[in-house]
Amino acid sequence: NAGVMQNPRHLVRRRGQEARLRCSPMKGHSHVYWYRQLPEEGLKFMVYLQKENIIDESGMPKERFSAEFPKEGPSILRIQQVVRGDSAAYFCASSALGAGVFLETQYFGPGTRLLVL
Amino acid sequence: SQQGEEDPQALSIQEGENATMNCSYKTSINNLQWYRQNSGRGLVHLILIRSNEREKHSGRLRVTLDTSKKSSSLLITASRAADTASYFCATDESRGSTLGRLYFGRGTQLTVWP
Repeated sequence: NAGVMQNPRHLVRRRGQEARLRCSPMKGHSHVYWYRQLPEEGLKFMVYLQKENIIDESGMPKERFSAEFPKEGPSILRIQQVVRGDSAAYFCASSALGAGVFLETQYFGPGTRLLVL
Repeated sequence: SQQGEEDPQALSIQEGENATMNCSYKTSINNLQWYRQNSGRGLVHLILIRSNEREKHSGRLRVTLDTSKKSSSLLITASRAADTASYFCATDESRGSTLGRLYFGRGTQLTVWP
């Protein structure tokens, strides 16, 4: 039973390019969360998606960042026109059940480390 | 904000000793979770404790939760060099508008010397 998969594991982009980060949740999970981690910091929530729906994107910058979780295929976090400040580790997590009265355990992927030159 | 804060920021102990890390948070929660992160790697889920629970055990891990003090502790008994990692607590909020998101602290860096 494979865990949460993320690719690529490392991504180098020049300023102004686009970055696409992919996340495949654990089998049977239909809830996906994206977090960003700066060096020496904890993770910061960005967006929460279900299949074909964005549930909460309040942690994501309004410009240049977008996320989707299509009916088929992985969830994609897209960063357009990257800047040096976007350099960070981006983690995806998934859960079997969504947030209800009790939040279910979120299982994390290995992360994508984005470096913007 | 709800962001949890771990204490201490860094902890250095010898193998065989116990390690205790603390976490404090600000608002009402439904659950609190502890994660481990090895350097440059992803997060590994350790344990989840619900707001109506006071203590939970899993192997060498013991977690307590005091909702009146808005704090939790993680105890690792008989530590091993392989326990060296950063440990994070993560909380949710019981308000409906932010269901789904976890709030992380900056973590405690635990070093266990052989």
